[in-house]
Amino acid sequence: DAGVIQSPRHEVTEMGQEVTLRCKPISGHDYLFWYRQTMMRGLELLIYFNNNVPIDDSGMPEDRFSAKMPNASFSTLKIQPSEPRDSAVYFCASSLPRLAADTQYFGPGTRLTVL
Amino acid sequence: AQSVTQLGSHVSVSEGALVLLRCNYSSSVPPYLFWYVQYPNQGLQLLLKYTSAATLVKGINGFEAEFKKSETSFHLTKPSAHMSDAAEYFCAVTSNAGGTSYGKLTFGQGTILTVHP
Repeated sequence: DAGVIQSPRHEVTEMGQEVTLRCKPISGHDYLFWYRQTMMRGLELLIYFNNNVPIDDSGMPEDRFSAKMPNASFSTLKIQPSEPRDSAVYFCASSLPRLAADTQYFGPGTRLTVL
Repeated sequence: AQSVTQLGSHVSVSEGALVLLRCNYSSSVPPYLFWYVQYPNQGLQLLLKYTSAATLVKGINGFEAEFKKSETSFHLTKPSAHMSDAAEYFCAVTSNAGGTSYGKLTFGQGTILTVHP
């Protein structure tokens, strides 16, 4: 299995630009999670999906952030417009929780720098 | 609501010494507890998890953790540190609570482990 795939691995953009981060979960996993990691705030859950439907988006910081999952094998996290304080590492994770204790598998992350 | 507190943002040990990383949790329902490791520039990888079976859980790379309900703790240990153990370690909690909490992990702030030769 290829694991969770994220692209791009690094993104550098200027303030005000639109940024789109992409995630391909592990095949067969029906939960998908987006996290953000910063030095100041640690690892934060932004949003998660079950069977392509957003379940909890309470962690999405502002309306500038949006996430979609058009099908079981693809999800995007979009920031429009981007700001320097959005600079962080964004992780995608997937799981198949028949039990709540089932493991979440993380992708390698996208390091976003907004200048 | 659930929460996790990791005591000590940085831990430094000598190679061959005992590793002890502390984690305390708060949960109003029976918890499931996890330890993840993050190597530089990589995603998180599961080390071990407690799922209400045995209270002493063994994981990969020689790590183990013990669930102590009375102390609300889930400390991570390894008898002998290796240079390759240098990484950041995260404790996390979830539960079988329904609704939007199902399967949702709450992470601690992380502990950076440094191993000296």
